Amino acid sequence: SQKIEQNSEALNIQEGKTATLTCNYTNYSPAYLQWYRQDPGRGPVFLLLIRENEKEKRKERLKVTFDTTLKQSLFHITASQPADSATYLCALDMGQAGTALIFGKGTTLSVSS
Amino acid sequence: DAGITQSPRHKVTETGTPVTLRCHQTENHRYMYWYRQDPGHGLRLIHYSYGVKDTDKGEVSDGYSVSRSKTEDFLLTLESATSSQTSVYFCAISDRTGTLYGYTFGSGTRLTVV
Repeated sequence: SQKIEQNSEALNIQEGKTATLTCNYTNYSPAYLQWYRQDPGRGPVFLLLIRENEKEKRKERLKVTFDTTLKQSLFHITASQPADSATYLCALDMGQAGTALIFGKGTTLSVSS
Repeated sequence: DAGITQSPRHKVTETGTPVTLRCHQTENHRYMYWYRQDPGHGLRLIHYSYGVKDTDKGEVSDGYSVSRSKTEDFLLTLESATSSQTSVYFCAISDRTGTLYGYTFGSGTRLTVV
């Protein structure tokens, strides 16, 4: 069966540390993988996209890796801050007409000061 | 959120009544989507549209219908609301399939069916 899983429902880390979130999928062949941030009571906000032929993508303190052999993406937040506390969603994009994003259930990150 | 508005933000309705949620965009994007978000399930696709009058079903479309008569508006109708349709509903837009810019989501509609 097709599945997309994020490693844990909750992750707690201390300010200044690197947070690493995992997204694994089975029986999908995405052309892109996207990451979103969602704050309580708000809609998801797009953060980063990585293509299937890219190994790594960076944006400020964010870094995403994509391993199509392992069928896994890692999302890193370096020098984490309490303001980074939110739920992070990964999403698969098949990149084909007639398809829509398929979302994982999310990981809630809490950064304590 | 900029360019996309959902209404109403909150609604309480009775079982068996029809309910319509509205999504309005000012971005002129071709693609529009309705998702529902529930604890333990994450975001699940209900219906999507790839143009005016062009719609298709998603993963959890039973009990829902949609209409898109104008580029800017995408309506989601619950034909006869049930308690299992209590959820938070999100509308999203994108300019094309495989977009490099992700989806833009609305702020959501919290629907409670009693």
